[in-house]
Amino acid sequence: AQRVTQPEKLLSVFKGAPVELKCNYSYSGSPELFWYVQYSRQRLQLLLRHISRESIKGFTADLNKGETSFHLKKPFAQEEDSAMYYCASFDNNDMRFGAGTRLTVKP
Amino acid sequence: GAGVSQSPSNKVTEKGKDVELRCDPISGHTALYWYRQRLGQGLEFLIYFQGNSAPDKSGLPSDRFSAERTGESVSTLTIQRTQQEDSAVYLCASSFPPGPQQFFGPGTRLTVL
Repeated sequence: AQRVTQPEKLLSVFKGAPVELKCNYSYSGSPELFWYVQYSRQRLQLLLRHISRESIKGFTADLNKGETSFHLKKPFAQEEDSAMYYCASFDNNDMRFGAGTRLTVKP
Repeated sequence: GAGVSQSPSNKVTEKGKDVELRCDPISGHTALYWYRQRLGQGLEFLIYFQGNSAPDKSGLPSDRFSAERTGESVSTLTIQRTQQEDSAVYLCASSFPPGPQQFFGPGTRLTVL
């Protein structure tokens, strides 16, 4: 079965510092990988997907099939990036979310 | 409406009582998903509806949980004989076409005393 692991429940960085939220997946096929974000008092929403290879709000994520990872990165964190981040995998209508990482960006 | 809506936003109930949670998906979205989020844990898939097809109930944790959807509209998640471990935020999401780009509702926070 698919599994998505986010090893860090909490991550705290200072404004302007680089940030990396880790995500590892275990799946024998070729799932699509995603990052979802939930800002305070807002709904969970899609941040980015690996197939689009885009940068959203300065965040990027590269799928590394060898390491089965899909880490989310941003070179210079901003206070407004503070939120809950969920990594997710999707294959054949089976959507799996990780436990989430709460990112706090301190001034 | 502009987005997925859920009601109630909060529900406190006593152990053993039945509860019904409602989800109104975005109009035209054929796929509807229910998830459960326990404190400190990730989103746990419960059930998936797609159009008039038989729902995927593989995530329902026990036979106390059931869900219905009328056509491509409202869905209700029913939990019978609630237990304290049912306390969680229940999230609904919809999409079109079915897939991972899902639009989430605000959730219903269920507390079982």
